[in-house]
Amino acid sequence: GAVVSQHPSRVICKSGTSVKIECRSLDFQATTMFWYRQFPKKSLMLMATSNEGSKATYEQGVEKDKFLINHASLTLSTLTVTSAHPEDSSFYICSAPRAAGGEQYFGPGTRLTVT
Amino acid sequence: AQSVTQLDSHVSVSEGTPVLLRCNYSSSYSPSLFWYVQHPNKGLQLLLKYTSAATLVKGINGFEAEFKKSETSFHLTKPSAHMSDAAEYFCVVTSLYGQNFVFGPGTRLSVLP
Repeated sequence: GAVVSQHPSRVICKSGTSVKIECRSLDFQATTMFWYRQFPKKSLMLMATSNEGSKATYEQGVEKDKFLINHASLTLSTLTVTSAHPEDSSFYICSAPRAAGGEQYFGPGTRLTVT
Repeated sequence: AQSVTQLDSHVSVSEGTPVLLRCNYSSSYSPSLFWYVQHPNKGLQLLLKYTSAATLVKGINGFEAEFKKSETSFHLTKPSAHMSDAAEYFCVVTSLYGQNFVFGPGTRLSVLP
């Protein structure tokens, strides 16, 4: 069964509003989680590394004030897209390693559509 | 820094014929390498992984890959394609501490009847 879940699986929001996406590790603790973005028919691009108890590390070109990440517990990381615009529409995927250097478990993804 | 190249953006094979999806990597350290499959509107599923053990790695659904350090390659193969294999395939290399995954651009596999 799934070891990393994401909620919601699909969300539609109006331009200018904020959307929160949750990523949970179901049967293990993850001090680090990763957030990716996937454009249609494209590969996954790492957006940021979510660190439990400390600030997230953002990749170059990713606006930290727009994509707020909170890793409040060892099993939950959230990504909030603030003041969403149509160009933020994408497939957002999180992942978590069960152990350092081990297999990454990916969530099923969240499809965001901003109208 | 790590990087991954998947030379073919699209591969088309007939059902029952062999599949070859190519992957070359660049890494300053001994890498861990993975192949993931993504079916349309689905999440990523791990096919197989190489983590410095046997160079020939067997995965699920009849797929296997061979790690060739001299060629910096990790090509994915399957002896006989099935219609259900049609999907997007990603080759992935880990970064220095084995946490951050670097994805290749992906190869879309089409299987013709």
